[in-house]
Amino acid sequence: GAVVSQHPSWVICKSGTSVKIECRSLDFQATTMFWYRQFPKQSLMLMATSNEGSKATYEQGVEKDKFLINHASLTLSTLTVTSAHPEDSSFYICSASPGRINSPLHFGNGTRLTVT
Amino acid sequence: AQTVTQSQPEMSVQEAETVTLSCTYDTSESNYYLFWYKQPPSRQMILVIRQEAYKQQNATENRFSVNFQKAAKSFSLKISDSQLGDTAMYFCAFATSASYGQNFVFGPGTRLSVLP
Repeated sequence: GAVVSQHPSWVICKSGTSVKIECRSLDFQATTMFWYRQFPKQSLMLMATSNEGSKATYEQGVEKDKFLINHASLTLSTLTVTSAHPEDSSFYICSASPGRINSPLHFGNGTRLTVT
Repeated sequence: AQTVTQSQPEMSVQEAETVTLSCTYDTSESNYYLFWYKQPPSRQMILVIRQEAYKQQNATENRFSVNFQKAAKSFSLKISDSQLGDTAMYFCAFATSASYGQNFVFGPGTRLSVLP
């Protein structure tokens, strides 16, 4: 089945530094990828929609300058948390769809970010 | 806007028994897709089952089946012969077909514990 790879699976960084998270679709092309944030014991919150070759579409309340998204190819999207602060600590999950009308979303394994 | 509601924050079931998780949604769309995703402690999002709204027949996937009531906007998940590995968060999700993936909405989740 379709596989989405997300890297790293966990990262610890110091406050003020930037962290890049990669999301790759391994066996299909994904025109659109999605980035979610999940707080403990809560549901997934859509942060932004990543579109290949164009700017990402951010959900209301998500800071574009803090969460930089780049979708450089049909198989790779990156999320960069800039100038990270402890409140950015969370679980981030990407997903992608092959784009066919009956295809579900396929999720990466997620990245646990801890900002100290 | 679409909304997804899961009224049971937590549930438990004895191993080998049957449990039903509830999900209701609200939409003005006539054609859409419904999903159940499972998130075990590993945090990986796993597709359990999906249903196309235009299909009257309830989807079935091994021990998992749904009761889709379109008029009532209800989409419950039945797990038969529960196994310890079924312990997880279960998210009901909704997606429109017009812009597949763009309006992928998750419910708040139900935490299921299968007891030995």
